[in-house]
Amino acid sequence: QKEVEQNSGPLSVPEGAIASLNCTYSDRGSQSFFWYRQYSGKSPELIMFIYSNGDKEDGRFTAQLNKASQYVSLLIRDSQPSDSATYLCAVNPASNTGKLIFGQGTTLQVKP
Amino acid sequence: DAEITQSPRHKITETGRQVTLACHQTWNHNNMFWYRQDLGHGLRLIHYSYGVQDTNKGEVSDGYSVSRSNTEDLPLTLESAASSQTSVYFCASSEWGQTGELFFGEGSRLTVL
Repeated sequence: QKEVEQNSGPLSVPEGAIASLNCTYSDRGSQSFFWYRQYSGKSPELIMFIYSNGDKEDGRFTAQLNKASQYVSLLIRDSQPSDSATYLCAVNPASNTGKLIFGQGTTLQVKP
Repeated sequence: DAEITQSPRHKITETGRQVTLACHQTWNHNNMFWYRQDLGHGLRLIHYSYGVQDTNKGEVSDGYSVSRSNTEDLPLTLESAASSQTSVYFCASSEWGQTGELFFGEGSRLTVL
């Protein structure tokens, strides 16, 4: 079992729809969770981080964390073509070493 | 503005040659990391450092080395380049006591022929 798992996609949604991206992790004691967006040929950029169970909202983005189920998700409301990218889930493990562990990423395509 | 820069951005080399990828950050972060990114594998940790003179192996460290002589720089050396090391390499930095967020450089695309 991989430490951080994501469906590689592609996930295709129409413009204006809600995109739901999911991530599971194996280390039950993981401390913090990050969502990065990566455009083709570019470096990852942080969208959101979350530490506590529940939802965290920032504009059109909502991160959801369920530690009991070892599950973190990212919702993108009113999806735009400019949201088309690969979304990387990253986890800071229980050891809190600062060494983030990344999933392989989910490719999102938003169609006009 | 603080930043993290990598050089070269693109390099083509031959099997067996030594290659060094530079990483320079002006965030004054103690933690620096090197990842490689390949299709189907996501970002995998090569080496990392928590401060000057500190270096540690990551999950895919074979064939790579790093050194940390100052806070700003963590060069990555491929001792004898192999075709399996063709990849995109990202340097990143972070600081203790903050969010844990990694700040990434622009990446270095290396092709080993």
